[in-house]
Amino acid sequence: NAGVMQNPRHLVRRRGQEARLRCSPMKGHSHVYWYRQLPEEGLKFMVYLQKENIIDESGMPKERFSAEFPKEGPSILRIQQVVRGDSAAYFCASSPTVIGTGELFFGEGSRLTVL
Amino acid sequence: GQQLNQSPQSMFIQEGEDVSMNCTSSSIFNTWLWYKQDPGEGPVLLIALYKAGELTSNGRLTAQFGITRKDSFLNISASIPSDVGIYFCAGQLRGQAGTALIFGKGTTLSVSS
Repeated sequence: NAGVMQNPRHLVRRRGQEARLRCSPMKGHSHVYWYRQLPEEGLKFMVYLQKENIIDESGMPKERFSAEFPKEGPSILRIQQVVRGDSAAYFCASSPTVIGTGELFFGEGSRLTVL
Repeated sequence: GQQLNQSPQSMFIQEGEDVSMNCTSSSIFNTWLWYKQDPGEGPVLLIALYKAGELTSNGRLTAQFGITRKDSFLNISASIPSDVGIYFCAGQLRGQAGTALIFGKGTTLSVSS
């Protein structure tokens, strides 16, 4: 039973390029959350999605960042025209239901380095 | 935004010692969770707490949901080298089921043998 799968694990981009990070939630999970982690920092919430819907994007920068979770396929976090400050670890988490426990199960992260 | 104050920021202990860390907030939480993150990995859930006053154990780990709903602590007894890592508290605000978890900044634990 696979856990939350993220790819790529490591991504290097030059300033101005686009970064696409993918996340497949655990089987049976329909809720996906994206978090960003800077060195020596905790996890900062970015966006919460259900299939085909963005539920809460209050933590996501208004410019250059977008996320989707289509009916078929993984969730995608897209960063356009990357800048050095976008270098971070991006974690995806999933949960089976919106009601109740709040338990999230995390993937191993995608580490973006912007040169 | 909402903040969780987690302390201490780091700890350096000897193998076999007990460890305690805690999280506090000015807001009331429905759920408190404790995660551990190993280097280069994602956080892994250790303990989840759902009721004020609840005390839950998972092996050598014990965590409690504070009576005021504004704090939680995690204890690790008889630490071993593999306990090394970053421990995060996380909470879900009361009345906001389905919202994302808020995380503390973490406690980095180092264990020397």
